[in-house]
Amino acid sequence: KAGVTQTPRYLIKTRGQQVTLSCSPISGHRSVSWYQQTPGQGLQFLFEYFSETQRNKGNFPGRFSGRQFSNSRSEMNVSTLELGDSALYLCASSFTGGIDTEAFFGQGTRLTVV
Amino acid sequence: SQQGEEDPQALSIQEGENATMNCSYKTSINNLQWYRQNSGRGLVHLILIRSNEREKHSGRLRVTLDTSKKSSSLLITASRAADTASYFCATPGDSGAGSYQLTFGKGTKLSVIP
Repeated sequence: KAGVTQTPRYLIKTRGQQVTLSCSPISGHRSVSWYQQTPGQGLQFLFEYFSETQRNKGNFPGRFSGRQFSNSRSEMNVSTLELGDSALYLCASSFTGGIDTEAFFGQGTRLTVV
Repeated sequence: SQQGEEDPQALSIQEGENATMNCSYKTSINNLQWYRQNSGRGLVHLILIRSNEREKHSGRLRVTLDTSKKSSSLLITASRAADTASYFCATPGDSGAGSYQLTFGKGTKLSVIP
């Protein structure tokens, strides 16, 4: 079956702009999580959606938001981009997001803010 | 904050040798997972070990877990050039809403020299 698909793969944006990233989970998976990966901070949890509801949110400013659609596809939005938002953004899907559920990751979206 | 801390940060070995990576964590866990990431791409789930398990095997991978020391190790036997990647341990954190975000360590960068 198809894996987790993230689009676009690469983005270059200017400070102050906003950006929307998309994630299509594996068919049948209802939980979608987003992570930010930077060389300095490593992998950090952004938020998790399950059945169109945000169940969990990491310690990120309100500029970072997301949503999930009825088909489980998810988008994350970053407004008023800052240079420090340059990172690899990873989406992970799982069936339930439960404690011993294997997470399947997409290839990521590499965002560069200039 | 990081839950897991991998050691060493970087490891370089010859093809055919074994590679051992260690992970320490801070709080009690339900399970611990290991992921592999190839050069800035998505993460691939390798193995999950539950807190009541001491050792688990999957192909050339062997994972141990010592909950008394809050540590885990990943052994890759007979390494291949294709094993060159970064390896992360991750533990699920309970948000109290049925959602368990993964908290990752900083990772071990493994280089296998042909």
